[in-house]
Amino acid sequence: DIQLTQSPSFLSASVGDRVTITCRASQGINNYLAWYQQKSGKAPKLLIFDASTLQSGVPSRFSGSGSGTDFTLSISSLQPDDFATYYCQHLNSYPQTFGQGTKVEIK
Amino acid sequence: QGQLVESGGGVVQPGTSLRLSCVASGLTFSPYGIHWVRQAPGKGLQWVALIWNDGNKKYYADAMEGRSTLSRDNSRNTVYLQMNSLTAEDTAVYYCARLVGGDGYNGGALDVWGQGTTVTVSS
Repeated sequence: DIQLTQSPSFLSASVGDRVTITCRASQGINNYLAWYQQKSGKAPKLLIFDASTLQSGVPSRFSGSGSGTDFTLSISSLQPDDFATYYCQHLNSYPQTFGQGTKVEIK
Repeated sequence: QGQLVESGGGVVQPGTSLRLSCVASGLTFSPYGIHWVRQAPGKGLQWVALIWNDGNKKYYADAMEGRSTLSRDNSRNTVYLQMNSLTAEDTAVYYCARLVGGDGYNGGALDVWGQGTTVTVSS
């Protein structure tokens, strides 16, 4: 099975900061990676698919990059609505596992 | 606005079975695969299973293999997840989500999620 390791697991940042979260796969997954945002008590929301394609309706301050085994999610200028937990998921073969999550909190 | 709605959760005893349902309304359902994802209390997301649009291909996480069965009825816009031999480790919120994109085996993403149904396994 392919394992996804996110770093950091916890991030404290201020409004306006640039934030970067990484997701490393235990083997190559091409660009079959998605990023989700989840707020407490809510279902996840799709942000990025195919590693770098922004889902319709998602603000342009979110961006994704990477291919193979190393991927990043960036938020160019953190907004109050962005404080949440972020997960990566690979969709290359089965099982299509998630990373352990990165919680972004207000500094 | 289209949505997915899960149901069938509840409090059950260890060793028993449960069937979860995922019903689509107001959104295109039959051309798409449906994933199940669960989240134990205070934990991260865990992939559970996937059924393809025609129901002919099904994939399960190791933890569910052999004791879970996926099925779908496209005439009712519904997917079912039958879970047997439940244990405390199955306690979680269970989400269904629509898979869009991909090449038929890899890729795509989960673009619409239900609100989740809670399964609690306890004696």
